[in-house]
Amino acid sequence: DAGITQSPRHKVTETGTPVTLRCHQTENHRYMYWYRQDPGHGLRLIHYSYGVKDTDKGEVSDGYSVSRSKTEDFLLTLESATSSQTSVYFCAISEVAGESTDTQYFGPGTRLTVL
Amino acid sequence: QKEVEQDPGPLSVPEGAIVSLNCTYSNSAFQYFMWYRQYSRKGPELLMYTYSSGNKEDGRFTAQVDKSSKYISLFIRDSQPSDSATYLCAMSVPNTGNQFYFGTGTSLTVIP
Repeated sequence: DAGITQSPRHKVTETGTPVTLRCHQTENHRYMYWYRQDPGHGLRLIHYSYGVKDTDKGEVSDGYSVSRSKTEDFLLTLESATSSQTSVYFCAISEVAGESTDTQYFGPGTRLTVL
Repeated sequence: QKEVEQDPGPLSVPEGAIVSLNCTYSNSAFQYFMWYRQYSRKGPELLMYTYSSGNKEDGRFTAQVDKSSKYISLFIRDSQPSDSATYLCAMSVPNTGNQFYFGTGTSLTVIP
């Protein structure tokens, strides 16, 4: 998994509680991404980061926030979890976002269930 | 209409068969085309990566891009049970590294 770890790997929580998922990389890649994967929807981008303290929204950012205080860590927070946020969450990293190598490498995923 | 369309399958083939997986897309600005393989309960892993049109071969895998038809394919020769997985196509536009567009994935089972 290209030096990417995610924690926790599984979590069950209740509606209305805040949840934070962590992505940690050892590759020193500049770009980091959070996706969610749901049946019939594939992978959808939630937020991404293009550097320390530099983040931007993706396709499905409502209800989520992110932070990146160090190159190696990218946190995803569900401010007040809802059942619609039950999903598998993947972190990805990218060496370069531009004209050369434009690929992403994925972590093992976090399976989140909101009751 | 989604930017990337992919038949979800499922696809079931006997061992040794040639498998053809396909995606179509609508955005002519896509220049990077990727195939990922995802085993059950695992993260997607990059399988093939091509830039612009043409073919790329890696062992039993061949990726083809036809930009005129907005159509990409992944061929698997001599398929093995270990190829059983979900295959995702992905595409992006240069200088927009955040903008990866994924197909929904095709589930493949190779029967011994």
